[in-house]
Amino acid sequence: GAGVSQSPSNKVTEKGKDVELRCDPISGHTALYWYRQSLGQGLEFLIYFQGNSAPDKSGLPSDRFSAERTGGSVSTLTIQRTQQEDSAVYLCASSLLGSKTEAFFGQGTRLTVV
Amino acid sequence: GESVGLHLPTLSVQEGDNSIINCAYSNSASDYFIWYKQESGKGPQFIIDIRSNMDKRQGQRVTVLLNKTVKHLSLQIAATQPGDSAVYFCAESRGNQFYFGTGTSLTVIP
Repeated sequence: GAGVSQSPSNKVTEKGKDVELRCDPISGHTALYWYRQSLGQGLEFLIYFQGNSAPDKSGLPSDRFSAERTGGSVSTLTIQRTQQEDSAVYLCASSLLGSKTEAFFGQGTRLTVV
Repeated sequence: GESVGLHLPTLSVQEGDNSIINCAYSNSASDYFIWYKQESGKGPQFIIDIRSNMDKRQGQRVTVLLNKTVKHLSLQIAATQPGDSAVYFCAESRGNQFYFGTGTSLTVIP
């Protein structure tokens, strides 16, 4: 596709369950970001992948959060044992050459933990 | 602490008027900035960017101004239209990340 694609668009899960969120970046983009956006708030950095380099995981809020990027393309953000405070919109972005070129965002996955 | 912040959380303008949205940043080492527009239920949409070796950059109906002396960034929207109603974020590139402020909500009054 032409843009960043995220799935699912909405996810409702019970507290304590694990969830997986998927991101398909723009083809050819070497950098991929995950951000979290709580209601009415700005974007909180979670994790950054750049090519084959080790990911920058400095924004992950706890060890319940993890992410993978397979084959330098698709990425999956996994949240284990979800908590109500995990409810937010999870946004994925990709850029051609990292944080010195524009990042393009997907539509996000709205996660609701009940 | 280091942050990217916005001077006004909300802004209302009459249709046809010009809008100015401001952003302050605190890290003088930041060398690349982006403005995003986010409509309800959508992801942030790239509007315009500027690098620190520039003071001004123009796009279609939008202009970004960068004042490195006072670490201030602004987005000017000419002839604001109802479709411009959204939340606007500035983003600062530092290291591997983009740092975002909380955003300014722009409402265009018909």
